[in-house]
Amino acid sequence: EVQLVESGGGLVKPGGSLRLSCAVSGFTFSNALMTWVRQAPGKGLEWVGRIKSKTNGGTTDYAAPVKGRFTISRDDSKNTLYLQMNSLKSEDTAVYYCATGMRSDNTWGQGTLVTVSS
Amino acid sequence: QSALTQPASVSGSPGQSITISCTGTSNDIGGYNYVSWFQQHPGKAPKLMIYDVSNRPSGVSDRFSGSKSGYTASLTISGLQAEDEADYFCISFTSSVTWVFGGGTKLTVL
Repeated sequence: EVQLVESGGGLVKPGGSLRLSCAVSGFTFSNALMTWVRQAPGKGLEWVGRIKSKTNGGTTDYAAPVKGRFTISRDDSKNTLYLQMNSLKSEDTAVYYCATGMRSDNTWGQGTLVTVSS
Repeated sequence: QSALTQPASVSGSPGQSITISCTGTSNDIGGYNYVSWFQQHPGKAPKLMIYDVSNRPSGVSDRFSGSKSGYTASLTISGLQAEDEADYFCISFTSSVTWVFGGGTKLTVL
């Protein structure tokens, strides 16, 4: 069974940092393109960024609102995806989902809530 | 990259068909056949319903179909059922090598 389980969410002050993790099982993680998507309370979905498999270069791409503040990485030996979030702002408050690619064979975790507030 | 434009809400009666539009630009929908549609029920993770404009993943009902013309992609749901009531989001690949979502459409089954 394919499973993606996010962890690491919580309450953080503006300007602070947080690292989210996404533990994956049920498919070959090292071959997978992985994505982070967020959803502010009561709002729509927002694509955050993605990381390709190492076979495809392992490159990352980010949405403009998070570029330079967020970093996506992966540890294929641990089947785990990461999202390092720095210089957090109140507008980063959201449920953060990890997912595979946005095309076929798409699957999502259940999300982890990040609240940025003083 | 601005969000794609979707109607805030649509509604229909059981058995009817509805269409949700998703409008972008030449830098996203108009330039690529990489448009997907997601269904999201309250408190749940999104579920892929259509990918690459018109392809259905296995397990998705054939009542769901997708199309594209110019800068606008569309999701059509035929034979509307109560369980189709949900939020629907489109997403497109962009020329910036990123992806951009639409604002979402709330479907109400009357």
